[in-house]
Amino acid sequence: IAGITQAPTSQILAAGRRMTLRCTQDMRHNAMYWYRQDLGLGLRLIHYSNTAGTTGKGEVPDGYSVSRANTDDFPLTLASAVPSQTSVYFCASSDSMFQGEQFFGPGTRLTVL
Amino acid sequence: LAKTTQPISMDSYEGQEVNITCSHNNIATNDYITWYQQFPSQGPRFIIQGYKTKVTNEVASLFIPADRKSSTLSLPRVSLSDTAVYYCLVGVLDQTGANNLFFGTGTRLTVIP
Repeated sequence: IAGITQAPTSQILAAGRRMTLRCTQDMRHNAMYWYRQDLGLGLRLIHYSNTAGTTGKGEVPDGYSVSRANTDDFPLTLASAVPSQTSVYFCASSDSMFQGEQFFGPGTRLTVL
Repeated sequence: LAKTTQPISMDSYEGQEVNITCSHNNIATNDYITWYQQFPSQGPRFIIQGYKTKVTNEVASLFIPADRKSSTLSLPRVSLSDTAVYYCLVGVLDQTGANNLFFGTGTRLTVIP
């Protein structure tokens, strides 16, 4: 069982370019999340999805969009990347959003120049 | 105003008990308190979760007072491999009145031989 996979592992991106970070889980979890973690800091929630077909905004949603077309996939899109979006991005999933263990992916390290 | 606060760092000798406290004054009524451990270049890993009073599992205990405005993670007899950053995660009502998830600022624990 893979758990949660993220792609790419790392990416260097020119400012203004569009980028989609991919996240797939095989645990049939209802809830999925995207967090960003800046160097030396904690994780901040970008967007979440309680169940397939629904999404919600976290603490820092500006500049990002998500979709949840099915249970397994939760892509995060940066429509026009800016240097302040340089960060490590973690995807996670859980049975229930406000209860239960969240399982995290390995992260995507994104650098916007 | 920070949603959750933790001490920035702690040092402990091997074999000692370590207690890390997280303050979350605005925790949402029905939400749980969850603690995670994070090693460098990895996603966070679940340690323990609770709603009130005390919870214990094979690796840690979690103490939550009646007002639920704080929680204390207790690690018994730490070893060198417990050197990591520890985060609390709680649901808090944000500025819009919606329930949202906030990680604490993180506590870097260093275990000394």
